[in-house]
Amino acid sequence: DTEVTQTPKHLVMGMTNKKSLKCEQHMGHRAMYWYKQKAKKPPELMFVYSYEKLSINESVPSRFSPECPNSSLLNLHLHALQPEDSALYLCATRDTNTGELFFGEGSRLTVL
Amino acid sequence: AQRVTQPEKLLSVFKGAPVELKCNYSYSGSPELFWYVQYSRQRLQLLLRHISRESIKGFTADLNKGETSFHLKKPFAQEEDSAMYYCALMEGGSRLTFGEGTQLTVNP
Repeated sequence: DTEVTQTPKHLVMGMTNKKSLKCEQHMGHRAMYWYKQKAKKPPELMFVYSYEKLSINESVPSRFSPECPNSSLLNLHLHALQPEDSALYLCATRDTNTGELFFGEGSRLTVL
Repeated sequence: AQRVTQPEKLLSVFKGAPVELKCNYSYSGSPELFWYVQYSRQRLQLLLRHISRESIKGFTADLNKGETSFHLKKPFAQEEDSAMYYCALMEGGSRLTFGEGTQLTVNP
């Protein structure tokens, strides 16, 4: 399995809701990433997990809470988001031998 | 601080013409550079790594430390090359940041 799978593909939530985005991989990669991508802009790094530990937090607001319960799963918990948080959220894993990142198709989030 | 600059947001060429997508970087250490591509309705994927010095789909990219550049080149563009291309810089082995991207259109 050489894919990164993200669910849900689309999510609409209100500003008071709590929701989660999920990412799963079975490539054995021990580094996992969350990126945020707005329309017509490049992906912006949010978080990096290495061996299930948070190694990089790019000063992301606390309304975004990442979690890596095991080496195959990465979650992004969302709470009290703002409309400007609407974006495509991309998960990726890194092959530490080559440095290549493998991306999921993304979860498109709309905050009303 | 690191920075990747792609000066062209849009680039349009005709099929069979040469194409060059520019990328300049600013980095105090030894750079690890990549080109990623996103075809329409597909996920972002790796095209080239500078360290491998390979040619993928006819594309090549050479790291020029003197000019701090990593331009992507193809001698004869094809219509299926139309896509968004991102130059990316890896820092510290884990922080990958992207340039603004260049949307390439290859016209028939």
